[in-house]
Amino acid sequence: AQSVSQHNHHVILSEAASLELGCNYSYGGTVNLFWYVQYPGQHLQLLLKYFSGDPLVKGIKGFEAEFIKSKFSFNLRKPSVQWSDTAEYFCAVNAAGNTGKLIFGQGTTLQVKP
Amino acid sequence: EAGVAQSPRYKIIEKRQSVAFWCNPISGHATLYWYQQILGQGPKLLIQFQNNGVVDDSQLPKDRFSAERLKGVDSTLKIQPAKLEDSAVYLCASSPRGGTGVNYGYTFGSGTRLTVV
Repeated sequence: AQSVSQHNHHVILSEAASLELGCNYSYGGTVNLFWYVQYPGQHLQLLLKYFSGDPLVKGIKGFEAEFIKSKFSFNLRKPSVQWSDTAEYFCAVNAAGNTGKLIFGQGTTLQVKP
Repeated sequence: EAGVAQSPRYKIIEKRQSVAFWCNPISGHATLYWYQQILGQGPKLLIQFQNNGVVDDSQLPKDRFSAERLKGVDSTLKIQPAKLEDSAVYLCASSPRGGTGVNYGYTFGSGTRLTVV
């Protein structure tokens, strides 16, 4: 069965620090990969996605993620976080060519201190 | 463009009672999803509709959960009877096309937070 693992449950950073959130998945076939963000009191929003091509994808608000197929990883990065990045971050996987089902990781809560 | 509308936002019920949640997807979106998000976990797909047909309901506890999508537009998710472990946020999402759906992007609603006491 497919699964997604996010390494960090709770991350606390100061503003301007660099961010890397880990995500690993288990699935042997072709995958579509996503990072979603949920700001306090708001709905899930797509940060970025990877379907094919360049494994380094750029998303909104300065976020980027790198797909490393050999490591089954899709880590999220941001060079310099802001207080407004405080939110919960979810990695998700879809088995390409299958239904639209997303398998989510358990989420990482990011707290950025001003 | 209006987003995915869900109601109610919050619901508190006693165990063994029944409850229903409503979702209105973005106009023209063929695919509709219901996810369950338990506190501290990521969302888990309960059921996926393509127009008014069910694509995937493998993780829907069919002894107590039911869902329908009348005329391929609005959808209702029902729990009867509710258990304590059903306490969660129920998220509805829609995407514009058929097939895999994800290629064309999901839009999530704000969810309904259910507390079963």
